[in-house]
Amino acid sequence: GIQVEQSPPDLILQEGANSTLRCNFSDSVNNLQWFHQNPWGQLINLFYIPSGTKQNGRLSATTVATERYSLLYISSSQTTDSGVYFCAVRGSGGYQKVTFGTGTKLQVIP
Amino acid sequence: DTAVSQTPKYLVTQMGNDKSIKCEQNLGHDTMYWYKQDSKKFLKIMFSYNNKELIINETVPNRFSPKSPDKAHLNLHINSLELGDSAVYFCASSQRLMTSGDQETQYFGPGTRLLVL
Repeated sequence: GIQVEQSPPDLILQEGANSTLRCNFSDSVNNLQWFHQNPWGQLINLFYIPSGTKQNGRLSATTVATERYSLLYISSSQTTDSGVYFCAVRGSGGYQKVTFGTGTKLQVIP
Repeated sequence: DTAVSQTPKYLVTQMGNDKSIKCEQNLGHDTMYWYKQDSKKFLKIMFSYNNKELIINETVPNRFSPKSPDKAHLNLHINSLELGDSAVYFCASSQRLMTSGDQETQYFGPGTRLLVL
């Protein structure tokens, strides 16, 4: 099956700093989503982005499908951004399940 | 007006017992899922239902049996619970399955924290 790797595994930021999270996948995909799991465990969908660029407030994401990676940008980070960020992909071709990456644990300190 | 709800939120039980987790979505979605998140936060899909029909059944032990009485509900029954079943179980839904566009965006419930003693 498709392999999904995220980097870095852990990240500590000072409030106000910017960061880039990366998701690499091993095969072509037709579905890619970014999620944030807050410290209370709730999973929130951030972006559906199998290709191209999207922005939502301080967050933006870019997927370069031909090179098999996606980036999540967090600007002017806030303590409420803390948690784990997951990317999830579904491979193209046939009937494939959604596979989650291993996540990036982000801690934003005041 | 919770979109995807699960009950119970916490479940503590003895090894060997049988338990059920319920999931309901009020988004009018066609597709529902069960995921398991282990202690290392790794999320893995267990089942996927589309219009009450089982689509994806990962290599999950037969002790786990999902049931979808209608499109808005997907319950998970677990027989003969084992220590290794301890995890957080998430239910999710999406408007469609295997389509283009963001109709596959998944919305997650709050999770059920299962502890088997």
